[in-house]
Amino acid sequence: EADIYQTPRYLVIGTGKKITLECSQTMGHDKMYWYQQDPGMELHLIHYSYGVNSTEKGDLSSESTVSRIRTEHFPLTLESARPSHTSQYLCASSADGYTFGSGTRLTVV
Amino acid sequence: AQSVTQLDSQVPVFEEAPVELRCNYSSSVSVYLFWYVQYPNQGLQLLLKYLSGSTLVKGINGFEAEFNKSQTSFHLRKPSVHISDTAEYFCAVSPLGGATNKLIFGTGTLLAVQP
Repeated sequence: EADIYQTPRYLVIGTGKKITLECSQTMGHDKMYWYQQDPGMELHLIHYSYGVNSTEKGDLSSESTVSRIRTEHFPLTLESARPSHTSQYLCASSADGYTFGSGTRLTVV
Repeated sequence: AQSVTQLDSQVPVFEEAPVELRCNYSSSVSVYLFWYVQYPNQGLQLLLKYLSGSTLVKGINGFEAEFNKSQTSFHLRKPSVHISDTAEYFCAVSPLGGATNKLIFGTGTLLAVQP
C-alpha cells in the first residue's frame, strides 16, 4: 500500500495550459523531493523541501514551481506547459530512506 | 560533489542464470548507497540500502549487494533471475550529514531476462 500518492498518473495536455501535479504523503516526512526522468535517462532533482514553507531548486533547472504549505502536500506547477516539459515526474519523501510515488507521465502536445 | 556510474545500460540474461549489475561512485565524503528498481510505468521501489555495518547487504526479491570502499563500488547481484525481474535498476548515493539527503542517481541498467 503506497504511502505517497501522485495524481494524475498520466496527463496529456495542450501547449500553454497551466497544470499542477499533486503529491501527498501520509508518513509525516519533513523532506520531500521532485525528480524529472526522461525516457531511458537518469533521474534529476528539480525541487526539494525540508519542511513547511521551505522550498529549494534542485540540480536540474526547471521552469516549474513548487509550494509546501502543509507537511503532507508538495504540489508542482507549470504555468504554461510546453512540449519540452514532456517527461515523467516522480515525487519522493524521506526520513532515513526515500519512498517514491508512482509518478506522473506528462505529455504536452 | 558526488557522481554515480552504471557502465552497463542493458544486461541481457537467461532465466535462472546469475546476474551482476555494476555500480561505481565518486564522492569526497562518505555516502549512503542504494539500489532501486523501476518496473515499466511505475515509480521507484527500494531494493536495498547500505548505511553502515556489514558490507554485504541483502534486499528484497533475492537481491544482494556488496559495498567495497576501496573500489568505490556497490554491485548488485542475484544468483538466479526470473522473468519478473525484468526492469530498470538504478544505483544511487546520498552524502552523509547532508541536511537535505539528496539522492544522486546513475543512468540506470535495464535488466532483460529472457526465457
